Amino acid sequence: TQLLEQSPQFLSIQEGENLTVYCNSSSVFSSLQWYRQEPGEGPVLLVTVVTGGEVKKLKRLTFQFGDARKDSSLHITAAQPGDTGLYLCAGAPSVKTNFGNEKLTFGTGTRLTIIP
Amino acid sequence: DSGVTQTPKHLITATGQRVTLRCSPRSGDLSVYWYQQSLDQGLQFLIQYYNGEERAKGNILERFSAQQFPDLHSELNLSSLELGDSALYFCASSVVPSAVGAFFGQGTRLTVV
Repeated sequence: TQLLEQSPQFLSIQEGENLTVYCNSSSVFSSLQWYRQEPGEGPVLLVTVVTGGEVKKLKRLTFQFGDARKDSSLHITAAQPGDTGLYLCAGAPSVKTNFGNEKLTFGTGTRLTIIP
Repeated sequence: DSGVTQTPKHLITATGQRVTLRCSPRSGDLSVYWYQQSLDQGLQFLIQYYNGEERAKGNILERFSAQQFPDLHSELNLSSLELGDSALYFCASSVVPSAVGAFFGQGTRLTVV
């Protein structure tokens, strides 16, 4: 079973501060995805990282995939109240038992609150 | 708008009853996933279908079943409902491979009373 642990579980910071959220596993993934979910809504895909060591930027958000493809981080610069939400990482398996079988394993989530 | 449509948005039913949740994936997506989300359990994978065939199974109870139809829409059937089944149920779809990301519907909030 592939497990993804996210830390911290909860984070509350002031507007304008920087923060980093971590997603760790002992398993190797073919890709790692980050989602943001707001209350009562479905998760929304933010980014997918595929190559070990890959860094992707989405405005003030920077995503990095670990060299060994077992972990990832999300860094937010100058956080804004609109960044508030539940951040979820998800991993696609590196070993596919058969074509089309690609269960996404979701992390435990980081609930982020940005205080104005 | 993710392009994934789930109905109904809210459902309230009594214990012991049976309900059906429906999902229409994004146009062109062959894979459909069902997830359950409750406050203390996070997003739990239930089952995946690819082009009408079951491809992966998670911690899905025997009281739950699903299928994907030839037009690629999917239904999740929940029977003999218990209070603990109250949760948000999400459907997601993706192109194959899902390594590029999945797109989620807005979910069905099921309340069992």
